[in-house]
Amino acid sequence: SQQGEEDPQALSIQEGENATMNCSYKTSINNLQWYRQNSGRGLVHLILIRSNEREKHSGRLRVTLDTSKKSSSLLITASRAADTASYFCAPRVIQGAQKLVFGQGTRLTINP
Amino acid sequence: GAVVSQHPSRVICKSGTSVKIECRSLDFQATTMFWYRQFPKQSLMLMATSNEGSKATYEQGVEKDKFLINHASLTLSTLTVTSAHPEDSSFYICSAAGTGQETQYFGPGTRLLVL
Repeated sequence: SQQGEEDPQALSIQEGENATMNCSYKTSINNLQWYRQNSGRGLVHLILIRSNEREKHSGRLRVTLDTSKKSSSLLITASRAADTASYFCAPRVIQGAQKLVFGQGTRLTINP
Repeated sequence: GAVVSQHPSRVICKSGTSVKIECRSLDFQATTMFWYRQFPKQSLMLMATSNEGSKATYEQGVEKDKFLINHASLTLSTLTVTSAHPEDSSFYICSAAGTGQETQYFGPGTRLLVL
């Protein structure tokens, strides 16, 4: 299966705390992408990490990739109420179409 | 960043009618567009991939005669839900990617309610 599986399914933390979400996948990948979806909206691309990268930062986001374990993590530091959303990982397979297949996502709730 | 729009944002129709949803890339040429549907509190399910000027490639289990996809230009793709039934009520989202683009840019979604 091409899709990633996010863990945990739901996460609730206090504002200001850090949030960590994990993603596991099964196939060899070219890159892995993280997306955010606010309720009732489309997805927003957050960050892309290539298979030859181990860590990447973008603002308060930190993504790691371990290709030997076929896993990735997304860390959001100093969380804000506006970070409340569902987060999806999308592995991009090496041999395959351009399509992305999404898992169930992690529903993150930031409590004020 | 690249912008993708969808129209309409919300539509209510009677059972048996057809509904057309438009997906437009506003500031880039989308050689490939994707259509997804999403039920409440569930993930996005890829329905089909369309390349400009070619027939769409449908995912397993998606009826191509029910969900007609047209990608006639580099900025527009349409999804037509034919003979809609209440079970077709869902949130439909499109995304687009240009040549060489590794990320997809998503539209805001269209909520369809079939009565």
